[in-house]
Amino acid sequence: DIVMTQTPISLSVTPGQPASISCKSSQGLLNSEGRTLLYWCLQKSGQPPQLLIYDVSKRFSAVPDRFSGSGSGTDFTLKISRVEAEDVGVYYCMQGLQYPITFGQGTRLEIK
Amino acid sequence: EVQLVESGGGLVQPGGSLRLSCAASGFTFTDYYMDWVRQAPGKGLEWVGRSRNKTRSYTTEYAASVKGRFIISRDDSKNSLYLQMNSLKTEDTAVYYCARGGPMLGYRGQGTLVTVSS
Repeated sequence: DIVMTQTPISLSVTPGQPASISCKSSQGLLNSEGRTLLYWCLQKSGQPPQLLIYDVSKRFSAVPDRFSGSGSGTDFTLKISRVEAEDVGVYYCMQGLQYPITFGQGTRLEIK
Repeated sequence: EVQLVESGGGLVQPGGSLRLSCAASGFTFTDYYMDWVRQAPGKGLEWVGRSRNKTRSYTTEYAASVKGRFIISRDDSKNSLYLQMNSLKTEDTAVYYCARGGPMLGYRGQGTLVTVSS
C-alpha cells in the first residue's frame, strides 16, 4: 500500500497569515497518462470531506484561490496564502494512483 | 446540480448485515466511478471501495479490511449505488459516504451512520 504521511499533525495560525501542510507519499503518484493523482480535502467539524485540490495543483470548483497545491514525485504541499476563520478543520491528502486508495492521517488547523 | 444521498444506516449486531444505498442525481450515473469512503468515530478517512463506470464494466475494488465481506453494486435504472455489508464487525462502525469520481471526492453525500454493537 502507498503510505501518505502528513506534517504537521496540527497547526495554529493567526487569521491573515499563511499556512503550509506537507504530504509525502511512499512512492511516486504519476500514472501512465501523465497525471499525478494527489488530492487534498478539508473536513470541517460535523461535515463530509470537501475536495480542495486534485492532480496536485488543480483547484476544484468554487475553491478559493488562497488555496494552492504543489509538488512532484513523492513530496507535495498545500498552501493557504491567508488563513480565514472558515478554514478551520482537518486537512487530508490522498492518493488515487494505486489500490487501495489511501489517505494521510490528517492535519488539524485551528485559528489563534 | 449533483446530489448524492445515502441511506440505510443504523444499529446492527456483530455478524449481521446491512445494505447502504446512495441515490444519485444531476449527472449521467453510468459515466462515473463511484466510491464508498468511511470515517470511524474520532478517526480519519478510510477508502472502502470503488465501482468503476459502465465503460469499465462496473468492475470493483475493495480495501483489504472489507474484501470478502462487502459488495458494491449499482442499479442504473434507479441511479443508485449500493454497499452490501455482511459479517459486520464492531470496527466497521463509521459514517459511510458515497462519492463521485471525476475527480475523486469532488461530490459526496452527507453520510449515513452505521453502528455495529451488541
